[in-house]
Amino acid sequence: EAGVTQFPSHSVIEKGQTVTLRCDPISGHDNLYWYRRVMGKEIKFLLHFVKESKQDESGMPNNRFLAERTGGTYSTLKVQPAELEDSGVYFCASSPPGQGWGNTIYFGEGSWLTVV
Amino acid sequence: SQKIEQNSEALNIQEGKTATLTCNYTNYSPAYLQWYRQDPGRGPVFLLLIRENEKEKRKERLKVTFDTTLKQSLFHITASQPADSATYLCALQLEYGNKLVFGAGTILRVKS
Repeated sequence: EAGVTQFPSHSVIEKGQTVTLRCDPISGHDNLYWYRRVMGKEIKFLLHFVKESKQDESGMPNNRFLAERTGGTYSTLKVQPAELEDSGVYFCASSPPGQGWGNTIYFGEGSWLTVV
Repeated sequence: SQKIEQNSEALNIQEGKTATLTCNYTNYSPAYLQWYRQDPGRGPVFLLLIRENEKEKRKERLKVTFDTTLKQSLFHITASQPADSATYLCALQLEYGNKLVFGAGTILRVKS
C-alpha cells in the first residue's frame, strides 16, 4: 500500500514567486493534515481537512497560504507570493476516517521549500 | 505559556543499554500523547500512542509512560541498537481535534 506522497520533494524559488505543493494521502483516508517545520523550530500544524472540508485551519500563518482539497482526494498548498520566512519543510499527513481520538497519523516525506 | 520540552541535548548511549527520553509539557491538557521517530530528510514515523488514563504502554522494545500529574512522558528503548539512532519527537493530541503539537525532538545516538 502506498504511503502519503508529496510533490515536489524539493523546490527553490525566488521571493515573490508562487509555489504549489501537492499531497496524495493514503487511499481511503478522509483526514488530511498539513504541517511545516521552519528552520530551528518545531513541526507546527497548519490545517486539517476532513474529506474536502476544512476542519481546522487555525495554524495557517497568513492569507498568502491557500490549501485546497477538491473532491476529497489529493490536496494542494499554494504559497503566493512566497517570502523568505516561508522556507522550511512542509509535511502532509493523513489518517483513517472518523474523529476518533488517537488515530494513527501517517506522514509523508515532506516538501522542502527554499525561498531565495 | 504553553510549551513542550524534550531533552535539549543529544543522548549518546552504548549499544545494549536502555535509552530514556523525556517529554515535559506545560499548560496543556492532552487527551493523547504520541511518540514519533524521524530520520534525517524523512517524515515522522508513528511509534506509540498513550491515552491520558493509561500509565504505561509497551510495544516490543519500546515503552512509554504518561504521568498527567507530573505532566511528563518517558520513552524507553531497551536493548538499544545503532539502528535506533534518530530524532524522537513527542507530540500532544489535544482534547479537541486531531491536531498534534510537537516538541523539538531529542537526537539519540547509539554507539556500537
